[in-house]
Amino acid sequence: DIQMTQSPSTLSASVGDRVTITCRASQSISSWLAWYQQKPGKAPKLLIYKASNLETGVPSRFSGSRSGTDFTLTISSLQPDDFATYYCQQYKSFSWTFGQGTKVEIK
Amino acid sequence: QVTLRESGPALVKPTQTLTLTCAFSEFSLSTTGMCVSWLRQPPGKALEWLALIDWDDDKFYSTSLKTRLTISKDTSKNQVVLTMTNMDPVDTATYYCARIRVLTVAGIQYYHGLDVWGQGTTVTVSS
Repeated sequence: DIQMTQSPSTLSASVGDRVTITCRASQSISSWLAWYQQKPGKAPKLLIYKASNLETGVPSRFSGSRSGTDFTLTISSLQPDDFATYYCQQYKSFSWTFGQGTKVEIK
Repeated sequence: QVTLRESGPALVKPTQTLTLTCAFSEFSLSTTGMCVSWLRQPPGKALEWLALIDWDDDKFYSTSLKTRLTISKDTSKNQVVLTMTNMDPVDTATYYCARIRVLTVAGIQYYHGLDVWGQGTTVTVSS
């Protein structure tokens, strides 16, 4: 299976900060990567698909990019609603796999 | 509005078989491109993908769990069922179903993300 290594595991930031979360695939997955946001007790929410495509209704402060097997989720200006856990997921090949998650906490 | 809702037992004993149902609305699994996936999340841990079934009845399973999983659909009832055999306490988790679509752009098919999720159902495995 393709392994997804996500970093950092925890991130402390303030409202207005630019935040970057990274996910590295153990082999090429082309751009078959999605990002999800999850709040406590809630189901995940799709933010980005195919590495850099913003899901409908997701604020434009969220963006995704790819460089080889490295993927980045950027929040350009952190808002109070953005404090949550973020997961990357590869769907290049079955069995699909997720990163370990990044918890974005209030600094 | 597309919705999905999971249902099943909250408590199962070790070695028992778990059966979960995902009931969905406002889309059909007989429509080309529609798929439903099952995932789970143990308490305080990361998400884990389990299985997927598509409109053409193709089925895909987690490598590590495929000997224990069976996914099936009832198109007339708009339901997808997941069974997991030989349950163990490590299978304690919140189980989710989610929709995913296969889109075709410029002749190339690709999966969109898991765009609509159920609220999840918590399953505890304990004697």
